[in-house]
Amino acid sequence: DIQMTQSPSTLSASVGDRVTITCRASQSISSWLAWYQQKPGKAPKLLIYKASSLESGVPSRFSGSGSGTEFTLTISSLQPDDFATYYCQQYNSYSTFGPGTKVDIK
Amino acid sequence: QVQLVESGGGVVQPGRSLRLSCAASGFTFSTYGMHWVRQAPGKGLEWVTVISYDGTNKYYADSVKGRFTISRDNSRYTLYLQMNSLTAEDTAMYYCAKDPSLYSHSYYFDYWGQGTLVTVSS
Repeated sequence: DIQMTQSPSTLSASVGDRVTITCRASQSISSWLAWYQQKPGKAPKLLIYKASSLESGVPSRFSGSGSGTEFTLTISSLQPDDFATYYCQQYNSYSTFGPGTKVDIK
Repeated sequence: QVQLVESGGGVVQPGRSLRLSCAASGFTFSTYGMHWVRQAPGKGLEWVTVISYDGTNKYYADSVKGRFTISRDNSRYTLYLQMNSLTAEDTAMYYCAKDPSLYSHSYYFDYWGQGTLVTVSS
């Protein structure tokens, strides 16, 4: 099974900050990686697929990069609506999610 | 617009069964794979199962294999999850989710329902 890790587990930031979340896979997953945003009491929302493709309707301040085993999600300028938990997910072999990164207000 | 509405959750005793439903609308249901994903209270996301667009292929996470069965009725635009031999570890919010790949499945999810809560407790 492919295991996913994320760092940090919690990130405190201010509006306007550039934020980077790292996701690592236990083996190569090529570019088969997605990122989701989840707010309390809500379903996850797809942000990025195939490591760097922006889902339709998602603001361009979100971007993804990486391949193989190391990936990053970057928010170029954090907005009030972006405080949430972010999950990476590999879909190279079935599906496995990372443990999540909570972005909260500094 | 795409809508997925789950139902059927509730409180159930250990060892008992429950059937979840997911009513889909806003897209051609019969042409997309569909998934169930769950989230235990305060925990992360766990993929549970997938069914192909035509219902012929089904795959399960090891944690539910042999106990859960996914099915679909394309004429009714509805996805199902039959859950048997439930344990406390199955307590979670269960989401149905649409696969973005036409006539295939990619194992990522472009639309999610709002979830239905299953609590396994005596």
